[in-house]
Amino acid sequence: GENVEQHPSTLSVQEGDSAVIKCTYSDSASNYFPWYKQELGKGPQLIIDIRSNVGEKKDQRIAVTLNKTAKHFSLHITETQPEDSAVYFCAASIIRNTGNQFYFGTGTSLTVIP
Amino acid sequence: EAQVTQNPRYLITVTGKKLTVTCSQNMNHEYMSWYRQDPGLGLRQIYYSMNVEVTDKGDVPEGYKVSRKEKRNFPLILESPSPNQTSLYFCASSWASGGFGELFFGEGSRLTVL
Repeated sequence: GENVEQHPSTLSVQEGDSAVIKCTYSDSASNYFPWYKQELGKGPQLIIDIRSNVGEKKDQRIAVTLNKTAKHFSLHITETQPEDSAVYFCAASIIRNTGNQFYFGTGTSLTVIP
Repeated sequence: EAQVTQNPRYLITVTGKKLTVTCSQNMNHEYMSWYRQDPGLGLRQIYYSMNVEVTDKGDVPEGYKVSRKEKRNFPLILESPSPNQTSLYFCASSWASGGFGELFFGEGSRLTVL
């Protein structure tokens, strides 16, 4: 099956600096790559996603890049703010006849230091 | 308010005592799925359903059952819980049954099996 690896597991940055989280996947059938943010005590929330036919997508301070050949994708957060502190999960999805099968990374705990 | 509701939110039970975690969504979503979250392992998909009466196994289905008799409900059944099923469980739904769509997560159900 699919294997998604995520690094680093923890990341501390100064407010205003950039943060980068990287993920790799193993199954070339994966064609949808969402990123979720989880705040303490809550369920994950989608922050950005990218499809396999797109190389880069940006939404204000957040961007995602995808390299299909190398099977890796990354989340970039610029001008970090304390409210960006949370756990971030990458995911890869394979669309099967019975629906979407999702594989998540192990998470990155981001701390933005004021 | 659009939401995914899980019950119970917290449960302590004993090995072998059957339990059901309910999940209900009010967004008329076709796709629903269950995940477990464990420290260091991220989110792992247990089961998913692209529509009524259509369900399939995720990455870690052993020890779990599901049913999808109505569009809005997707209960997770543990027929004979064991301590290794102690975990934080999330239900999620999406409008996209077979494509690219945001997962809306519930608040989570923390289960402890003694």
